[in-house]
Amino acid sequence: KQEVTQIPAALSVPEGENLVLNCSFTDSAIYNLQWFRQDPGKGLTSLLLIQSSQREQTSGRLNASLDKSSGRSTLYIAASQPGDSATYLCAVYGGSQGNLIFGKGTKLSVKP
Amino acid sequence: GAGVSQSPSNKVTEKGKDVELRCDPISGHTALYWYRQSLGQGLEFLIYFQGNSAPDKSGLPSDRFSAERTGGSVSTLTIQRTQQEDSAVYLCASSHQPQGYTGELFFGEGSRLTVL
Repeated sequence: KQEVTQIPAALSVPEGENLVLNCSFTDSAIYNLQWFRQDPGKGLTSLLLIQSSQREQTSGRLNASLDKSSGRSTLYIAASQPGDSATYLCAVYGGSQGNLIFGKGTKLSVKP
Repeated sequence: GAGVSQSPSNKVTEKGKDVELRCDPISGHTALYWYRQSLGQGLEFLIYFQGNSAPDKSGLPSDRFSAERTGGSVSTLTIQRTQQEDSAVYLCASSHQPQGYTGELFFGEGSRLTVL
């Protein structure tokens, strides 16, 4: 059974810092991995989707990498801003499951 | 519509009542998912639709939960005889997902259910 773990559970940094969020999964037979952002009381916003054949995706200040063989992904946020404060969720899709399996998220706080 | 739309956004009900939650996916998206997010917990998969059929119902927590999708579009999640442990945010997502391929998931804002 696929399990997704995100470390750390919470992170507080000063504005301007570069930071890395980690995601690990137990079954490397995935089709893709997706990073989401969730603001309090809101739904999930898709940030980046990495297909299993890809190693990384970039969008603005965000860069996500995928190492399928080791079951790991990282989300790199450059020059963090207070507006980046949110919970970041990682999810993997394994074809036989027909759904995304989510980690419990990393709650990020960027202090001005 | 422009995004996934869910209604109601908030629902307070008494224990034992039935509730219906509605999801209107992005136009043209073939796949539709329901998840549940309880306070302090991760997202729990409930059910997945490809078109109008549900290949995977494994996440439904009990037979009080059911869901349907009509016309390959709107989906309704029904909870019968609600219990306090059903209190959660119910999230719907859709994806353009031709057979054998999975695309990016887009989520609605969720329906917050409180069972008193």
